[in-house]
Amino acid sequence: GNSVTQMEGPVTLSEEAFLTINCTYTATGYPSLFWYVQYPGEGLQLLLKATKADDKGSNKGFEATYRKETTSFHLEKGSVQVSDSAVYFCAPGNAGGTSYGKLTFGQGTILTVHP
Amino acid sequence: EPEVTQTPSHQVTQMGQEVILRCVPISNHLYFYWYRQILGQKVEFLVSFYNNEISEKSEIFDDQFSVERPDGSNFTLKIRSTKLEDSAMYFCASMLDPINGELFFGEGSRLTVL
Repeated sequence: GNSVTQMEGPVTLSEEAFLTINCTYTATGYPSLFWYVQYPGEGLQLLLKATKADDKGSNKGFEATYRKETTSFHLEKGSVQVSDSAVYFCAPGNAGGTSYGKLTFGQGTILTVHP
Repeated sequence: EPEVTQTPSHQVTQMGQEVILRCVPISNHLYFYWYRQILGQKVEFLVSFYNNEISEKSEIFDDQFSVERPDGSNFTLKIRSTKLEDSAMYFCASMLDPINGELFFGEGSRLTVL
């Protein structure tokens, strides 16, 4: 099955700092790749996704590029805000068949942004 | 905005008791899921459900677990005889179609087994 190695946290940054959260995965085939975010007291929300090699997913200033050659999907943001404080999860999906929606989550990275 | 809702938000139960966690997926979604997260550990897939039957289940989803969509709106997870190690946050999710591939998660139900 799939596996994910995600940068360990917690990560603490000052507002407007640059953010990178590394994610590498192993998978059969070429799965869609997702980043989910969990804000305090809330459920998991899709942050961005990429469905094929070299695709760049982006949302709310966050970006991640599907790198097939390095099996990576690193999350970046050029200037973080206090409101970005949350837990971030990298998750490859399954390449197809009947396993739609079966995600393999990384352990999550806690991000805290200070003013 | 449509959302997945879960009840209860927190349940405390004694070991050996039956527990039912309830979920109302987004109304036009067709694929339904349960995931769980033991405190400090990864979010793990439990089971997927489509067309009124289980599509796939993980090794965790043993005979003590069952899922049901009894009335076309609710999607339930039953744990027949809870164990201490079932203590976790349980997340329900739904998806409209696999082409889109986006899972919509509820806020979770925290289960504490004493």
